Amino acid sequence: DAKTTQPPSMDCAEGRAANLPCNHSTISGNEYVYWYRQIHSQGPQYIIHGLKNNETNEMASLIITEDRKSSTLILPHATLRDTAVYYCIVRAPLSNFGNEKLTFGTGTRLTIIP
Amino acid sequence: GAVVSQHPSWVICKSGTSVKIECRSLDFQATTMFWYRQFPKQSLMLMATSNEGSKATYEQGVEKDKFLINHASLTLSTLTVTSAHPEDSSFYICSARLLNTQYFGPGTRLTVL
Repeated sequence: DAKTTQPPSMDCAEGRAANLPCNHSTISGNEYVYWYRQIHSQGPQYIIHGLKNNETNEMASLIITEDRKSSTLILPHATLRDTAVYYCIVRAPLSNFGNEKLTFGTGTRLTIIP
Repeated sequence: GAVVSQHPSWVICKSGTSVKIECRSLDFQATTMFWYRQFPKQSLMLMATSNEGSKATYEQGVEKDKFLINHASLTLSTLTVTSAHPEDSSFYICSARLLNTQYFGPGTRLTVL
């Protein structure tokens, strides 16, 4: 799976949009970009994933550049509960066996400032 | 939807004893489940992948005889830490795959005295 690079930490004011960048310059054409977050002492929470097109759900938006070498996760109106470590992960598509793994890097520690 | 539970949420045991952790997919069936371990201030490390009805696949460096994984049904996988030692103290997290996405349990904190 392609490796990702994220800034180690970011701050964002409460109520503002949080934009978390991720570089994945070696991504292959059929690899997906996944975002998870982990609040302290909890299991990771799935946020969103995409392949080529931008995606939006009730939690966030995912913007993938046209060359797919980077992406940005956008939390439109950050709250204090969004303080967490955010992981950007690139994963191969499922084969027939379906054992493709998620490999976690160090992520970005996002702190929402009141 | 896509809820994964773990039991217990925390456990303290004496060195040399065995501990079993359960992982359940509550509202979906999961052919494939994964077990991760997370040490303080570190990221999640995959330990093994289990498929229902077959033997688990362990990552390099993970002892299969020490970390026994059973995935006997489509909604339950168990991890047994055998002869636990203080260095096995960690946060153990399972996940279950639904379609193209993995959903994670809340984790189990194991402390071995």
